[in-house]
Amino acid sequence: DTGVSQDPRHKITKRGQNVTFRCDPISEHNRLYWYRQTLGQGPEFLTYFQNEAQLEKSRLLSDRFSAERPKGSFSTLEIQRTEQGDSAMYLCASSLGGGGPNEQFFGPGTRLTVL
Amino acid sequence: AQSVTQLDSQVPVFEEAPVELRCNYSSSVSVYLFWYVQYPNQGLQLLLKYLSGSTLVKGINGFEAEFNKSQTSFHLRKPSVHISDTAEYFCAVSEDVTGGFKTIFGAGTRLFVKA
Repeated sequence: DTGVSQDPRHKITKRGQNVTFRCDPISEHNRLYWYRQTLGQGPEFLTYFQNEAQLEKSRLLSDRFSAERPKGSFSTLEIQRTEQGDSAMYLCASSLGGGGPNEQFFGPGTRLTVL
Repeated sequence: AQSVTQLDSQVPVFEEAPVELRCNYSSSVSVYLFWYVQYPNQGLQLLLKYLSGSTLVKGINGFEAEFNKSQTSFHLRKPSVHISDTAEYFCAVSEDVTGGFKTIFGAGTRLFVKA
């Protein structure tokens, strides 16, 4: 396994369009996380899955954002009616489950630019 | 809710000098602390973590951090830095959420090592 992968790496879209990002975690990891990172800031938690269940969602995540992990493997993050403020790097991470908080392995991110 | 404050946004230092990157967190019942590093054009990777036990934690690349409960700090140190340590460093704290853990990151400290 080569680690967490994200697709696409870059996305440029016009305001008002919908976009969808994909994350493929490390295969044996049952926890999956989405973060947003803007310039000069640390990753900001968006949502978290344990297997296919979405267990936690940030209050910062408006109803334009939705995430799924239908079979407990890959995950998608969709942003509807994009706004310029959505421009950021979207990071995905995965970890093993059970016990305490385990090391999160991060993907390279998807950079979104909303024009 | 937990929070993380990284007291320095940028730390310039000469090669082979010691360095300390400061991190303070807001306290909750269970404290799990991490330092992640982001090298230029790469994803985040774990440097070290504190879950329990010894308050002095050793990580990769010669870094170590000390958990100080009374001062709610988790400062990162290295006795002698290399040019290759130039990167962004993020302190993070994990808190219990339903079925797992949610990780809150600080804003980051940019370490710039000069020859």
